[in-house]
Amino acid sequence: GAVVSQHPSWVICKSGTSVKIECRSLDFQATTMFWYRQFPKQSLMLMATSNEGSKATYEQGVEKDKFLINHASLTLSTLTVTSAHPEDSSFYICSASSRVNYEQYFGPGTRLTVT
Amino acid sequence: AQRVTQPEKLLSVFKGAPVELKCNYSYSGSPELFWYVQYSRQRLQLLLRHISRESIKGFTADLNKGETSFHLKKPFAQEEDSAMYYCALSGPSGGSNYKLTFGKGTLLTVNP
Repeated sequence: GAVVSQHPSWVICKSGTSVKIECRSLDFQATTMFWYRQFPKQSLMLMATSNEGSKATYEQGVEKDKFLINHASLTLSTLTVTSAHPEDSSFYICSASSRVNYEQYFGPGTRLTVT
Repeated sequence: AQRVTQPEKLLSVFKGAPVELKCNYSYSGSPELFWYVQYSRQRLQLLLRHISRESIKGFTADLNKGETSFHLKKPFAQEEDSAMYYCALSGPSGGSNYKLTFGKGTLLTVNP
């Protein structure tokens, strides 16, 4: 149980385009979903926290107009990277927090490459 | 501000040797501490959390509030323990305090 999926697993897009990444909790309802960014050989950096039906809370330094987060249901959150640039290339990881014990379950990540 | 420090980026030991991965934290209040593990080409997964006081895969970690440390230990390392290990903390469980702050990780290599 407690499986989180992400789609796509990797994506290449051109500079200036937008990319949407989905995060789903497959077998549980998630009170909260989190979006992280991980640069090569570095730690996970929390970008934003999203609760179902409300606006996401962004961490300091994260542009909310660039990284749009929608959390429409208890099993789905999406991250849209708008007007992507090469510096947005990174590994994006989501996690979903169980309503039972608040443990975070992580998705496999999405590798974004902006050319 | 909350911070997690893992002083060793790399740690290499031989199979059967004891291993200790260090983690220090700063947090004003009573945090929850976690260890996450990421095996090669796999997702991040929870190894243990201090409130459960469990031993998972032979690993233990004791929260030392005086030294603000949460070191991960295993008496006899196995080759399958080779992975990236992240220490993390959050505020008390529940509500908006539950976001995690990660350390930079320690890559453990267990040699045969």
